[in-house]
Parts: sequence; structure tokens; C-alpha cells
Amino acid sequence: DAGVTQSPTHLIKTRGQQVTLRCSPKSGHDTVSWYQQALGQGPQFIFQYYEEEERQRGNFPDRFSGHQFPNYSSELNVNALLLGDSALYLCASSFQGQAGANVLTFGAGSRLTVL
Amino acid sequence: GNSVTQMEGPVTLSEEAFLTINCTYTATGYPSLFWYVQYPGEGLQLLLKATKADDKGSNKGFEATYRKETTSFHLEKGSVQVSDSAVYFCALRGYNTDKLIFGTGTRLQVFP
Repeated sequence: DAGVTQSPTHLIKTRGQQVTLRCSPKSGHDTVSWYQQALGQGPQFIFQYYEEEERQRGNFPDRFSGHQFPNYSSELNVNALLLGDSALYLCASSFQGQAGANVLTFGAGSRLTVL
Repeated sequence: GNSVTQMEGPVTLSEEAFLTINCTYTATGYPSLFWYVQYPGEGLQLLLKATKADDKGSNKGFEATYRKETTSFHLEKGSVQVSDSAVYFCALRGYNTDKLIFGTGTRLQVFP
């Protein structure tokens, strides 16, 4: 049973560019959350998608946007990249029986480097 | 707002030593508490959890007890192995949300 899969695993962009990261949730899961983990820091919540809508959002600017597709997979888009956006981006999935009652399963992440 | 504070690392131990990684939290209401582990080059894996006061989470020889009176959730293991070398994150989740709030992580290095 495949867990959470993310792509690409590594990528390099330059300032001002745009990036799209992709996530396929664990089989049976319908909710996807995205986290940003800067080097040496704990993950920070970006947003969560359920039923193709953004349900909750952390303290991130509008340059960060996302999408969830009917098959529950998700994309994270970051526009106008800044050097400070360099980080490991983690996707986590869960089954939304009831918010707060489920354990998140994390993917291995996409490491973004902005030059 | 809700927050998690972990002891800074790295924590360096010899194999079979006793491990404690301190974690304290600030939260309104009654959060659920978690320990996640991150091995080099990998994502986060849930190690253990506790959902109410006095609960003890345990897994793979690791334990942590939810102490509401001291707002703590310290991670312990009686005898560490080289394979336990990783970064450990304490996290909390508030009521009726899946959003996790993480500490900054503690790197554990175990030497033979």
C-alpha cells in the first residue's frame, strides 16, 4: 500500500520564478495538508484541502496557493519565489472522519532551493 | 496562541544510555500531543501520541506521558540504539483541527 508520494524530490529555482509541487495522498485518505520545513526548524502549517477546497490556512502570504483534485491529489504553488522560500515542503494526508480525530501520514517531501 | 518548546540539541549518547528529550507546550483547551521522528532524507513518522491528560503514549521502547499540571510531554527511552539517531519533533494539535504545531526539533546522535 503506497503511502504519501510527492514530486519532485528536489528542485532548484531562481528568485521570481514560480513552482508547483505535487502530492498523492495515501490510499483511502481524502484530506491533504501542506507544511514548510526550513532548515533546522520544525514544520510550519501552510494550508489544508478537503473536498477540493481550502479548509484551513496558516500564516503564509497569498503567493502560496493550492489545489485539490477530484482524486484527492493536491498541488502547492508558490509564485514570485524568494530566497526565504528555500525549504523542505511536506505533504500530509488523512481521512476526514472528524477534524482533530485523525493521524496525519507524511510524505518524504520536496526540497526546494531558491537561488 | 498555541506553541511547543523543545530542548535544543544535539543530544549525544552512547548506545544503551537513557534518553530524555524535554517538551513543554502552551495551549488553550485540551490539545492532543505527539512525537514525530525524522530520519535523514525522510519525511516525518509518527512515533507516539496521547490525547488526554495522564495518557501515556508508547512505541518501539519510547514513552511519553501527557502531564497537564506541568504542560509537558517528555520523551523517554530506557536504552537507545544507534538506529535511534534521528531528529525528534514534539507537536500538538488543538481541538477540532488537524493542524499540527511543531517544536523546532531535537537531534539525537547515538554512538556505539
